[in-house]
Parts: sequence; structure tokens; C-alpha cells
Amino acid sequence: DTEVTQTPKHLVMGMTNKKSLKCEQHMGHRAMYWYKQKAKKPPELMFVYSYEKLSINESVPSRFSPECPNSSLLNLHLHALQPEDSALYLCASSHLPSGSSYNEQFFGPGTRLTVL
Amino acid sequence: GENVEQHPSTLSVQEGDSAVIKCTYSDSASNYFPWYKQELGKRPQLIIDIRSNVGEKKDQRIAVTLNKTAKHFSLHITETQPEDSAVYFCAASWNYGQNFVFGPGTRLSVLP
Repeated sequence: DTEVTQTPKHLVMGMTNKKSLKCEQHMGHRAMYWYKQKAKKPPELMFVYSYEKLSINESVPSRFSPECPNSSLLNLHLHALQPEDSALYLCASSHLPSGSSYNEQFFGPGTRLTVL
Repeated sequence: GENVEQHPSTLSVQEGDSAVIKCTYSDSASNYFPWYKQELGKRPQLIIDIRSNVGEKKDQRIAVTLNKTAKHFSLHITETQPEDSAVYFCAASWNYGQNFVFGPGTRLSVLP
């Protein structure tokens, strides 16, 4: 299996809702990422997990809460979002880079989120 | 932090012509430079990458060059085809690809 999968593909939620995005990979990657991509813009890194531990949080508001329950799964819990949070949320995974190894990030198809 | 600029923002070429996209980066410690292609409504996909110890890399119709002194790198696509039409993002990483900064993107249109 050489793909990153994400569910759901589309999500519409109100500002008071709680929802979760899910990401899964079975490539043995130990680094997983969440990105946010607005229309006509590049992906922006939100969080990085290494060995199931949060290693990078790019100053993301607390209404976004990541979780990595095991080495294959990555969740993004959403609560009290704002309309400006509407975007494509991309998950990615890679082998952990090291001094002698440069590693490609594989992206999932994304979840298109609309906040009303 | 790292800052990546990319030019042009849009590029139209005739089928069969070459396309060149240029990026500059600010952090001299950056050591990994991937290029991603994103078709409309699809996920970004890596098309080629280059490491800081290499000056040029080629894969069929696609090549990337890196000038570390000037801190710029370029994507070259030869014999363009309509299916090359997409948004192309360059990126730079200072930690071997664990996290990188994307350029703003170039929308390439290949006209038949």
C-alpha cells in the first residue's frame, strides 16, 4: 500500500460543531504531517508528528487539536472553528529524515472543509 | 526563518516548447529542494527533488538545477504536453525534508 488516505473527502460544519479528520498510511512511515491549503496558495504546515509524538506545532490555534493514536493513524480534531478556517486539509507522511537520508513526503487527497 | 520565492506566477507555453520555473531561498542551511505538481482538485505529488550536494538532476523530460552560492534552483520541463498543465510548487528544507517551506506556486498552462 503506497497511498495516504483521508476521510472524509468533504466536510461542512457549523461554528459550534465538533468534528474530526482522519488520515491513514501503511507505508511504515514514522513522520506524519497536517497541512492547510487555501485556494490558489501553497500548503502551510500545521503539525508534525515523529514517532507518534508531536514534534512541531506551527503556532496553530487551539481549536485545532491533533492526535496520533498509532504509527498508521493521524487525526485532527476540530472545535469552534471560524469561517476563515475553510480550506483543504492535507495529511502527509514520510520516513524520518536523517543526515544521510532525504525523504519524500507523500500527500493524501485532502479533506475539503467548509465552516458555516 | 526560510522564505521561498517563485517566478513566474503563471506561465503559458505551446505544446512541445520548454518551460522554466525559478525559485530562490533565503536560508543558506537549506539542504533539500523538492518540486511538487498539483493538478486541479488533486493532491500534491513529488515530481523531482535535489539535494544540496548535487548541482543538477534529470528525470526524462524534467530537470532541476541548483546554485547554492546564489541560493536559487530551477525546474526545466522539455517537450511540454497538455497533461503537464498544473500548479507547480518548489520548496526548501533545512532538515532533510522533515519540514519545508513551499514557494507560492506557478500555474503552468500547456496550450495544444
